Amino acid sequence: AQSVTQLDSQVPVFEEAPVELRCNYSSSVSVYLFWYVQYPNQGLQLLLKYLSGSTLVKGINGFEAEFNKSQTSFHLRKPSVHISDTAEYFCAVRGSYKLIFGSGTRLLVRP
Amino acid sequence: NAGVTQTPKFQVLKTGQSMTLQCAQDMNHNSMYWYRQDPGMGLRLIYYSASEGTTDKGEVPNGYNVSRLNKREFSLRLESAAPSQTSVYFCASNLDRGHTEAFFGQGTRLTVV
Repeated sequence: AQSVTQLDSQVPVFEEAPVELRCNYSSSVSVYLFWYVQYPNQGLQLLLKYLSGSTLVKGINGFEAEFNKSQTSFHLRKPSVHISDTAEYFCAVRGSYKLIFGSGTRLLVRP
Repeated sequence: NAGVTQTPKFQVLKTGQSMTLQCAQDMNHNSMYWYRQDPGMGLRLIYYSASEGTTDKGEVPNGYNVSRLNKREFSLRLESAAPSQTSVYFCASNLDRGHTEAFFGQGTRLTVV
């Protein structure tokens, strides 16, 4: 069975600093991984996805993630964050018929 | 380009009341899903419909029923609301059960008092 662990419930960071949001997964089948972002009072929006191929995946808004099979990780990174990046971020793995989500990480960007 | 539309956006119910949450997508997607979001628990799948005419239970189906009315619409019904069903409900759709992107609605914030 697949599962996703996001170890950090909240990550505070200053504007223009780099950030990494951690995600670890377990899966016994082919891995499809996703990062979604949820801005306050909105639905979820896809940031990026890994299906196959290059392990470094680039997404929207300057975010990128690296798939590491040996460490079963899919950490999300951004070299310089903005106030507008304040949101909740969800890592997800594709199961046989559904997306399995982590518990989410709230990114709080301070001026 | 509407995508996934949910109604209503907000609802307050008394314990024991019933209601139906509506969801429609205009992307010709085959699969549709209902999730609930609770603080610290991420999104949990309530029910899903892999294709028109089929529905299946997810992780937390108790207290809910669903109807896949046609390819576009997938409704979620609470027959007798309980305070434990206070949550934010999201409808989502994707082209199929594979690795395609899921699109989400804006959510319905439900409070049961």
